[in-house]
Amino acid sequence: DAGVIQSPRHEVTEMGQEVTLRCKPISGHNSLFWYRQTMMRGLELLIYFNNNVPIDDSGMPEDRFSAKMPNASFSTLKIQPSEPRDSAVYFCASSFNGGGEETQYFGPGTRLLVL
Amino acid sequence: AQSVTQLGSHVSVSEGALVLLRCNYSSSVPPYLFWYVQYPNQGLQLLLKYTTGATLVKGINGFEAEFKKSETSFHLTKPSAHMSDAAEYFCAVRGSARQLTFGSGTQLTVLP
Repeated sequence: DAGVIQSPRHEVTEMGQEVTLRCKPISGHNSLFWYRQTMMRGLELLIYFNNNVPIDDSGMPEDRFSAKMPNASFSTLKIQPSEPRDSAVYFCASSFNGGGEETQYFGPGTRLLVL
Repeated sequence: AQSVTQLGSHVSVSEGALVLLRCNYSSSVPPYLFWYVQYPNQGLQLLLKYTTGATLVKGINGFEAEFKKSETSFHLTKPSAHMSDAAEYFCAVRGSARQLTFGSGTQLTVLP
């Protein structure tokens, strides 16, 4: 399996621009998680989906952030408008939730720099 | 609520020496515990995990960790460090909530 795929790997944009991050989970996985990593706050969960439905978005910083999962093989995280404080590494992870033990597998991340 | 504390944000060891990275957790339910490794400019790779059963867990690259409920600890060890082990290591817990809660990470430096 190719693992979790994220694109782009790097993104540089200017403040106020819209940014869209993309994720393709591992085939057969039914849960998808978006995390953000910064020096100040470490790794923090933004939102997660189960069977394409958002379950917990309490970690989404504010209304500028939105996430969708239109089908089992694709998710997007959008920031509009972007701000310099959004600069971070954004990770997508997927897992299979069968009611018992589950392991999250992470993608390589998208490094976002907002100027 | 669940939380993770990693003692020591930076650990340095000599090549061939024992690696010990400390992790303590809190969880209101029996936890699932994980160690991930992050190499520079890469994603997180699963090293090992504890779910149920044997409390000594073996992972990849010669790492192992022992779940000690009485101490609420899940320390990561490796008998002999290799230069390629230099990376950042994250301990994570999954308790009643499905999401992982991560520690702040420990940067491991291996000295020649």
